[in-house]
Amino acid sequence: DGGITQSPKYLFRKEGQNVTLSCEQNLNHDAMYWYRQDPGQGLRLIYYSQIVNDFQKGDIAEGYSVSREKKESFPLTVTSAQKNPTAFYLCASSTSRRGNQPQHFGDGTRLSIL
Amino acid sequence: DQQVKQNSPSLSVQEGRISILNCDYTNSMFDYFLWYKKYPAEGPTFLISISSIKDKNEDGRFTVFLNKSAKHLSLHIVPSQPGDSAVYFCAASTAGGTSYGKLTFGQGTILTVHP
Repeated sequence: DGGITQSPKYLFRKEGQNVTLSCEQNLNHDAMYWYRQDPGQGLRLIYYSQIVNDFQKGDIAEGYSVSREKKESFPLTVTSAQKNPTAFYLCASSTSRRGNQPQHFGDGTRLSIL
Repeated sequence: DQQVKQNSPSLSVQEGRISILNCDYTNSMFDYFLWYKKYPAEGPTFLISISSIKDKNEDGRFTVFLNKSAKHLSLHIVPSQPGDSAVYFCAASTAGGTSYGKLTFGQGTILTVHP
């Protein structure tokens, strides 16, 4: 079955710690995205990548980093510089880099602070 | 600056009736619009989309209407079913320019369909 797999489903971070959220897709999609959802709010774009070895900052990139070494993988690192990391993180992918096709989402990772 | 707004936080509808969810946008460069459905602790599921060259798109029980002059879109669900109860997000993008594929989301509307 083709899809987007995010892991882990739940993650806890200690103060001063970096944590990495995994996102893997087997849909052969070029474009991949990371969003953050806070309670009562819509999704906000953190980073996106249209092609391997290239990525761009979204609206709220501060305190986050990404890599895109393989087409199917787009991991997100939440660094200690992100002062309010508690949120629901969603990864998405799309066939289109031009934004005229739907994005399809994984089931998310919920990150909490210990 | 909230470029995509869903002004109704919640909507309650009787089973079998029509559900109408509304969305307004301010950025005239948006040319592709989508609706997603989301259950708690899951990722959004794509429902239906519409390009700005159209004013209506149907898929089964779901119809999206786009009024470009009013910068308004709506999702109609007919007939509504209890399984439709979820949070609905509208989203918009600009196909081209420097914002390739970036989706801007509304805050979501909680739809409850009562049996």
